[in-house]
Amino acid sequence: NAGVTQTPKFQVLKTGQSMTLQCAQDMNHNSMYWYRQDPGMGLRLIYYSASEGTTDKGEVPNGYNVSRLNKREFSLRLESAAPSQTSVYFCAIAEQGSKETQYFGPGTRLLVL
Amino acid sequence: SQKIEQNSEALNIQEGKTATLTCNYTNYSPAYLQWYRQDPGRGPVFLLLIRENEKEKRKERLKVTFDTTLKQSLFHITASQPADSATYLCALQYGGATNKLIFGTGTLLAVQP
Repeated sequence: NAGVTQTPKFQVLKTGQSMTLQCAQDMNHNSMYWYRQDPGMGLRLIYYSASEGTTDKGEVPNGYNVSRLNKREFSLRLESAAPSQTSVYFCAIAEQGSKETQYFGPGTRLLVL
Repeated sequence: SQKIEQNSEALNIQEGKTATLTCNYTNYSPAYLQWYRQDPGRGPVFLLLIRENEKEKRKERLKVTFDTTLKQSLFHITASQPADSATYLCALQYGGATNKLIFGTGTLLAVQP
């Protein structure tokens, strides 16, 4: 998990509340990703940013918005949390070009009541 | 849509034996395939990448094979140790230059001393 930090580590929300998950990197990589991980479902891509200034939807974008604030930071916002968004959220980064390895952050555990 | 299958049942082996994990995929021809390790409560960590034109890749006690005809990758850990106990995820590349990955659900490996 070197180079990728996520805040908060754990959060409890009530249905309808909003929150922003933060991700920051110090590896100067161009691409950043948000995944959610649920038991039996594996990691699923929510949104990604191929480079600063661009964002695009992944497999499960509904209920989420993202913002690529600068090259270092990529935030994920839940405008109105639902129990179905209870999950572990991972941010990942990657260089573009021939180096396709993704580096993951430690995760944010979110519980929506 | 792309589909990845990993054995959902845990694999239990004795220390010193070779562990073999399977990843099967359908409906896609990825340019490369990756394997990650995930420990409880932590983000995935990259292990190996193998490209479509490579049959085999090795790194220390790890070996990955990639059979694009069978649409299958095998992940081997030789001389397994209890410290190798973790969940192992395979991931397929899609999306061209955007380096998007689709992940399998993972296989839990337990190495008994």
